[in-house]
Amino acid sequence: QITLKESGPPLVKPTQTLTLTCTFSGFSLSTNGVGVGWIRQPPGKALEWLALIYWHDDTRYSPYLKNRLSVTKDTSKNRVVLTMTHLDPVDTATYYCAHTNLGVTNHAFDVWGQGTVVTVSS
Amino acid sequence: EVVLTQSPATLSLSPGERATLSCGASQSISSDYLAWYQQKPGLAPRLLIYDASSRAPGIPARFRGSGSGTDFTLIISRLEPEDFAVYYCLQYDTPALTFGGGTKVEIK
Repeated sequence: QITLKESGPPLVKPTQTLTLTCTFSGFSLSTNGVGVGWIRQPPGKALEWLALIYWHDDTRYSPYLKNRLSVTKDTSKNRVVLTMTHLDPVDTATYYCAHTNLGVTNHAFDVWGQGTVVTVSS
Repeated sequence: EVVLTQSPATLSLSPGERATLSCGASQSISSDYLAWYQQKPGLAPRLLIYDASSRAPGIPARFRGSGSGTDFTLIISRLEPEDFAVYYCLQYDTPALTFGGGTKVEIK
């Protein structure tokens, strides 16, 4: 059974850097085709894709946030870390990580974490 | 980037009725790389359909996806009480993935 869980600070001040961790089980990020993505959702608004990292270290970023985002993986600890710099109140959202497997659902995210709420405020 | 426009924004229907949700793309999506998700309040999205028409494991047959190119449709043949939720489409054809703005299916 695949599970993912996001963790990180619930409150961040403007201009600070946010670091979120996705800890997962039931799959390995060293397996061909596997990837983990990050998606966020501001309160009452639509989903927004942020980033994606694959088993072979290929990474993709939202063009709007590319300069502020970094995603890395620690295969031995089954973790993926998302870093976002220069936080602003508009970055207040629920942040999700999700699993994908190119050999099953292509890039569609088939299993999601429960999400973690991040508020940006001074 | 590919912009996805979902319509209508809100769909008011009764249980047992048929729901038709649309997702239009600003440019053609090759290989039908489009997915549909259902989201209920306070919960993470759930994958319903991938590759435009393939049902994810465990998804009831009343959910059907179709379409190609720039026009995609999600049909719920007979609404069950648990189907009232927000639905999003996602395209994964281009390196930059994008979601639509969502359609809320509410009880009439």
